[in-house]
Amino acid sequence: QKEVEQDPGPLSVPEGAIVSLNCTYSNSAFQYFMWYRQYSRKGPELLMYTYSSGNKEDGRFTAQVDKSSKYISLFIRDSQPSDSATYLCAMRGTGTASKLTFGTGTRLQVTL
Amino acid sequence: DGGITQSPKYLFRKEGQNVTLSCEQNLNHDAMYWYRQDPGQGLRLIYYSQIVNDFQKGDIAEGYSVSREKKESFPLTVTSAQKNPTAFYLCASSPSGNGETQYFGPGTRLLVL
Repeated sequence: QKEVEQDPGPLSVPEGAIVSLNCTYSNSAFQYFMWYRQYSRKGPELLMYTYSSGNKEDGRFTAQVDKSSKYISLFIRDSQPSDSATYLCAMRGTGTASKLTFGTGTRLQVTL
Repeated sequence: DGGITQSPKYLFRKEGQNVTLSCEQNLNHDAMYWYRQDPGQGLRLIYYSQIVNDFQKGDIAEGYSVSREKKESFPLTVTSAQKNPTAFYLCASSPSGNGETQYFGPGTRLLVL
C-alpha cells in the first residue's frame, strides 16, 4: 500500500463547477501538507501549503486537512479552463531531514 | 528574475552513454533536490543536498550521481547503469534543508535512442 493515495482521474467538470480533489495517507507523522498544480510537460507549481488540521483559503482555492481521518482536500470554486492540469498532493513529517512524499496526481479537465 | 532553470528541455541518450542534466537556482536556497516522474507513479526522490559539498541518496539513487560544488548548482548525471532512464526529471529547491516548501524547475525530458 502506498503511503499517499490519490485518484488519478481524469476528472472532467464544466466551467464554473466546484471541484473537489482528495488524498488519503497512512503515515500519522505527516504534519505539513501541500498542493501543487502541474501543467502538461511543465514543473509543478506550489498552490497551497498548510500545517496540521484545518482549512486555508486563497482566492478560489481552499485546502482542508483532517488528520483524524488522514484525509486532505483541495477545493476549486468557479473552475476555469485554465485550471485544467494535474494536481499533486504532497506531505511530510517534522524534522530537519524530513522528505516530501507525493501522491500520483489527479488530472483535471475543465470544459467550456 | 528569481527561479530555477533546468537544461536541456529534451535530452537523448544512447545505450551505454552517461548524460548530465543541469539545474541552477538563484533563490539563494540551501537545499536542492532531484526527482524522477513517470506516468502513474508520481514524483520519486533521486538525490538531495541540504548544503554545499554534501548530498544524500533518495529512494531511487541507483544509476545516478550528483555533485554540489556551488550553492546555486546541482547537476544530475544519469549513468549507463540506469537501465530505464526514460522519464521526466525535475529539480527543486527549498530555503533550508527542512524539506518544507519546495519550488520546482521546468523539467528535462530524457529519452533513450
